[in-house]
Amino acid sequence: EDQVTQSPEALRLQEGESSSLNCSYTVSGLRGLFWYRQDPGKGPEFLFTLYSAGEEKEKERLKATLTKKESFLHITAPKPEDSATYLCAVHSNFGNEKLTFGTGTRLTIIP
Amino acid sequence: DVKVTQSSRYLVKRTGEKVFLECVQDMDHENMFWYRQDPGLGLRLIYFSYDVKMKEKGDIPEGYSVSREKKERFSLILESASTNQTSMYLCASRSGGPSNQPQHFGDGTRLSIL
Repeated sequence: EDQVTQSPEALRLQEGESSSLNCSYTVSGLRGLFWYRQDPGKGPEFLFTLYSAGEEKEKERLKATLTKKESFLHITAPKPEDSATYLCAVHSNFGNEKLTFGTGTRLTIIP
Repeated sequence: DVKVTQSSRYLVKRTGEKVFLECVQDMDHENMFWYRQDPGLGLRLIYFSYDVKMKEKGDIPEGYSVSREKKERFSLILESASTNQTSMYLCASRSGGPSNQPQHFGDGTRLSIL
């Protein structure tokens, strides 16, 4: 069974303090790994898809990387508006349409 | 941009009622999904549909059914609502083709069953 574990559960950073969020996964053949951002009371907003180990994607202050066992979401010089819950999900070769989600990291950026 | 619209942001119903949650997408996507999101459990797939009138069970289909009569609309039905179905319900859609394309979500319906 596919599994996704995200750490830490919650992270508080000062504005400008860079850090990384971790997504560890176990999957029967990775078809894709997805990162989403979710604001309180809203649905998840798509950020990145990573398909193979070594791949990297960037968007503003966010950079996602992928190895065969985990993905990192690096946040550089964050701003208060980056505060959100970040979700990781995997799609396996044997999961038909199913995405397996982690429980997320709640990120708070303090001005 | 993909737009997935859920008909209600908040809904309060009583146990035993039949409850309908509606979702509409405007991108002509073949695939549509219903999830529920609970603290500490993440998102769990209830049902999905890959074409009109087609449906597949997800991980937690018990107590739910779905309807997809038109391509743009996917409905989740709670046949006889119970308090353990109090949750945030999220609808998503995805284009056809390679199944590793991202799913796009609506803003959710927060459902309370009293």
